[in-house]
Amino acid sequence: AQKVTQAQTEISVVEKEDVTLDCVYETRDTTYYLFWYKQPPSGELVFLIRRNSFDEQNEISGRYSWNFQKSTSSFNFTITASQVVDSAVYFCALGSYNTDKLIFGTGTRLQVFP
Amino acid sequence: DGGITQSPKYLFRKEGQNVTLSCEQNLNHDAMYWYRQDPGQGLRLIYYSQIVNDFQKGDIAEGYSVSREKKESFPLTVTSAQKNPTAFYLCASSPTLLAGDGNEQFFGPGTRLTVL
Repeated sequence: AQKVTQAQTEISVVEKEDVTLDCVYETRDTTYYLFWYKQPPSGELVFLIRRNSFDEQNEISGRYSWNFQKSTSSFNFTITASQVVDSAVYFCALGSYNTDKLIFGTGTRLQVFP
Repeated sequence: DGGITQSPKYLFRKEGQNVTLSCEQNLNHDAMYWYRQDPGQGLRLIYYSQIVNDFQKGDIAEGYSVSREKKESFPLTVTSAQKNPTAFYLCASSPTLLAGDGNEQFFGPGTRLTVL
């Protein structure tokens, strides 16, 4: 069974704090992709990153970084020096080779206060 | 600009009425999807389509219907049989259907449906 778990329902931080959003996945496939999306208050989901199962290198993009660990089936997302504009719901998703749809987690709502 | 458009942004309907939500894409994508999102919850897949004139039920298809007569368009009808239709509806598309190929899904701005 394919599954994505985002155990943190809501996180609140003060601006400039670092914050990590957790994502744990389950799949029996050896070939798969993991995604992170951001949903700001406007509602539209915005693609942030894609990572395939054969590439465990961490990725950094500005204040965003992602840590992929196959040993723990996790794909965590860290925002460094958070800003108010980072306030949104963040979704982790899994695409396995043998399925024709993305499996989404339930999302983590991040609130960054000034 | 390429993208996905959904209309209307807000929709109100009376109980017992059918209503159709529009979704159009100009990305030349083969696959299209409809999701439902309830407050504080994740995305649940309603229907998806791989090609024209073909579509599949997702996890919560009851009370909904779709059509795919054109590659660019994938309208969703919320019928009176849907017991609790008030929700936020998101349309998405991707180059192909296979999630395992690394195809990201591109999302529209959503339609917020309220049943009065």
